[in-house]
Amino acid sequence: EAGVAQSPRYKIIEKRQSVAFWCNPISGHATLYWYQQILGQGPKLLIQFQNNGVVDDSQLPKDRFSAERLKGVDSTLKIQPAKLEDSAVYLCASSLATGWQPDQPQHFGDGTRLSIL
Amino acid sequence: QQPVQSPQAVILREGEDAVINCSSSKALYSVHWYRQKHGEAPVFLMILLKGGEQKGHEKISASFNEKKQQSSLYLTASQLSYSGTYFCGTANGQNFVFGPGTRLSVLP
Repeated sequence: EAGVAQSPRYKIIEKRQSVAFWCNPISGHATLYWYQQILGQGPKLLIQFQNNGVVDDSQLPKDRFSAERLKGVDSTLKIQPAKLEDSAVYLCASSLATGWQPDQPQHFGDGTRLSIL
Repeated sequence: QQPVQSPQAVILREGEDAVINCSSSKALYSVHWYRQKHGEAPVFLMILLKGGEQKGHEKISASFNEKKQQSSLYLTASQLSYSGTYFCGTANGQNFVFGPGTRLSVLP
C-alpha cells in the first residue's frame, strides 16, 4: 500500500513570498490532516478535512493560510504572504475515519521543510 | 488543552527499560502513541481506548488509566532503534491534540 505522498520535500523562500504544498493521502482514506511542526515541538493541527469538507480549521491563520481538497482526494496548503515564524515542517496525514472516530490511527507523509529567509 | 508528557528527555543504555507518561486535564476517549525519528515522519505505534486496556507492540506496551486521564508507554529492553521522539495524541470530545514529545536516546 502506498503511503501519504507530499511534495516538495524542502522549500526555501523569502518572507512575504507565497508557497504551496501538495499532499496525496493513502487511497480510500476519507480524512486528511495538515499539521505544522515547529522544531522541538509536537505537531499542531492546522486543518482537518473529511472528504472535501472542512471538519476543523480553528487553528489555521486564515489571513495568510488556505487549504483545499476539491475532489476529496489530494489537497493543497498555501501560505501567502509567508512570515519568518512560518518556518516549520508541514506534515500531511490521513486516516480511515469517516467521522468522529478516535480509534483510527493517522498515517503521516514525510513532510515539507519550509525555511523563510 | 495540550497533554503533558514526562519526562521531556531520557537517555538509556541498550537493554534498559523506560516509561513515558502522558496526562490530560480533559476526559479522554483515546490516547495515541507515535514515534518520530529525526527528519522523518511520525510513525503510529498504538491506540489505547478508554476502558483501562493495555496493549503491546513487540517490546513496547502501553496502558490507559481512564480515571486519571493518564497513559504510560513502556519500553522494555530498549534497542538502539527505539531512539527518537515519542508523542502522545489525545482525543477528547471532537478534538485531537499532540503532546510536546519525549526525546529518547538509546546508547550502545
